[in-house]
Amino acid sequence: EVQLVESGGGLVQSGGSLRLSCAASGFTFSGYWMTWVRQAPGKGLEWVANIKPDGNEIYYVGSVKGRFTISRDNAKNSLYLQMNSLRGEDTAVYYCARGGARAGRLEYWGQGTLVTASS
Amino acid sequence: DIQMTQSPSSLSASVGDRVTITCRASQSINNYLNWYQQKPGKAPNLLIYAASNVQSGVPSRFSGSGSGTDFTLTVTSLQPEDFATYYCQQTDSTPQTFGGGTKVEIK
Repeated sequence: EVQLVESGGGLVQSGGSLRLSCAASGFTFSGYWMTWVRQAPGKGLEWVANIKPDGNEIYYVGSVKGRFTISRDNAKNSLYLQMNSLRGEDTAVYYCARGGARAGRLEYWGQGTLVTASS
Repeated sequence: DIQMTQSPSSLSASVGDRVTITCRASQSINNYLNWYQQKPGKAPNLLIYAASNVQSGVPSRFSGSGSGTDFTLTVTSLQPEDFATYYCQQTDSTPQTFGGGTKVEIK
């Protein structure tokens, strides 16, 4: 059974940093693109970043470029999102999802972890 | 970035109704269009991929169509468990943007 479990969310002051983790199991993690998607309270879904299986291709949405870093450790079956210089508008539930290649789909999602950036 | 526009943003329907949601891309995305269903407090769930392919385990009352810039999600005979918010997503280019969502409510 495919499982994705996010952790690392919490309350942080604006300007602060947080590192999210996503532990994957039930599939060959090293064979899949992975994606982070977020959802602000009461709002729609926003694609944040994705990463190729070998980590050599990475893409970000413009609003997080230079502040967020997506990475992965295939030996640990884990995906990460390092978030720096957090702003109030980064407050959201952050989901990791399996998939993200061009023409692909987000087939499995974690339960999400809440990040609150407060001034 | 490609903009994805869904309409309507919300609708009211009854059990048994046929419901259609549209999604328009700001430029051609071939058929690289997915549909997701999300219920309150839950992660999204993939319904349709590549515009018209039904994800395994999804009931056959869900279908998708379209290509280029205009796409449609149809639910024939709406069931109580279908009341939710629906999102389209393009995967033709990054950022792989989502539409704003369509909330389907009980009439």
